[in-house]
Amino acid sequence: QVQLQESGPGLVKPSETLALNCTVAGYSISSGYYWGWIRQPPGKGLEWIGSMFHSGGAYYNPSLKSRLTISLDTSKNQVSLKLNSVTAADTAVYYCARKGRSGWYADQWGQGTLVTVSP
Amino acid sequence: EIELTQSPGTLSLSPGERATLSCRASQSVSSSSLAWYQQKPGQAPRLLIFNASNRATGIPDRFSGSGSGTDFTLTISRLEPEDFAVYSCQQYANSPWTFGQGTKVEIK
Repeated sequence: QVQLQESGPGLVKPSETLALNCTVAGYSISSGYYWGWIRQPPGKGLEWIGSMFHSGGAYYNPSLKSRLTISLDTSKNQVSLKLNSVTAADTAVYYCARKGRSGWYADQWGQGTLVTVSP
Repeated sequence: EIELTQSPGTLSLSPGERATLSCRASQSVSSSSLAWYQQKPGQAPRLLIFNASNRATGIPDRFSGSGSGTDFTLTISRLEPEDFAVYSCQQYANSPWTFGQGTKVEIK
């Protein structure tokens, strides 16, 4: 059974960089699938941030692309997110997620971690 | 960007009743690239349906998805107590992949 677990600071100051890790258990990320991040601002809908494949393929949301880095560490079986120059609008629950086999839906999710951007 | 509008915003029903949830896209969603998720308070979303009508692994057959083009429907044939939750649709036909705002199914 695949399990995804997010970790990282819950509070980030405006203009700084938001950095999260996701540790995957039960599946080697180098075996396949795209792995990435989806977020949900409080009381709002979901937003797909971006995803990466172990051999280098990637999808980045165009609205976030200029501030975004997603990377995979196959030695640690981790997925990382870095979002720079954050503002209050980046406050959200951040979910680690696996892309489905036959399309860009998310078939496995982490429990999510709340990141608040505040001075 | 494809906008997804879900209706109604809230659906008040009793256990055992049938729930019909709508997801309308601002432009055609090709190849039926639409998914449905269930989300309970404080939990991550759970994939129910992908490619408009395919149930995800472990999803009971009381959940069904249908539709094409711009109009899609999630039907729960008989509501069980654990089905009261928020349901969101997502399109992945055109980048950026986008989600609807959700329909809350609450106990009447």
